[in-house]
Amino acid sequence: GQQLNQSPQSMFIQEGEDVSMNCTSSSIFNTWLWYKQEPGEGPVLLIALYKAGELTSNGRLTAQFGITRKDSFLNISASIPSDVGIYFCAGKISGSARQLTFGSGTQLTVLP
Amino acid sequence: DGGITQSPKYLFRKEGQNVTLSCEQNLNHDAMYWYRQDPGQGLRLIYYSQIVNDFQKGDIAEGYSVSREKKESFPLTVTSAQKNPTAFYLCASSRLAGGTYSYNEQFFGPGTRLTVL
Repeated sequence: GQQLNQSPQSMFIQEGEDVSMNCTSSSIFNTWLWYKQEPGEGPVLLIALYKAGELTSNGRLTAQFGITRKDSFLNISASIPSDVGIYFCAGKISGSARQLTFGSGTQLTVLP
Repeated sequence: DGGITQSPKYLFRKEGQNVTLSCEQNLNHDAMYWYRQDPGQGLRLIYYSQIVNDFQKGDIAEGYSVSREKKESFPLTVTSAQKNPTAFYLCASSRLAGGTYSYNEQFFGPGTRLTVL
């Protein structure tokens, strides 16, 4: 099936550092979603994006819907230990009846 | 509080047995979904339903079955035909329509970890 390329696969950062991750696809999307999943739990929706170029923040998190509509970025500023988890992007291909497509996730580890 | 519940949290079964995972939502969402998650991988869609008494196969439906007799409930049965059933199973729901693409937002339950011995 359709795949989203999410990178990096994992990140090890120091507390207080900024984090950036992204997802790209060969298809055009009308929706980009960013989720966070903690161990043994279901993903929690962090940010939703619907328009090309849209920039949306949720606390220390900021996500952008790429101008080409084929990519999206998530930034976390001033990381803290509770940011640890797996971050997933998900998208809805424009004009397709296909349901959401998910990236493979970015495993974030924050070192004290 | 509105939300999605899945039960049980952990499930152990012997090989060759069918097992049913429960998913209930009180968000008044029309659409419900079942995903499978394996370590280091993204979510893969098993089945989804957009209306009561109707459901569609996802990318990996073989060895699974579902029913949608009530709007609030979407149980998943993992049959003995599923060759590698040990995984983390996630249920989600969403609205079916809206003024923007916000109906694409899916909300997840806490998951059920199935281990087949």
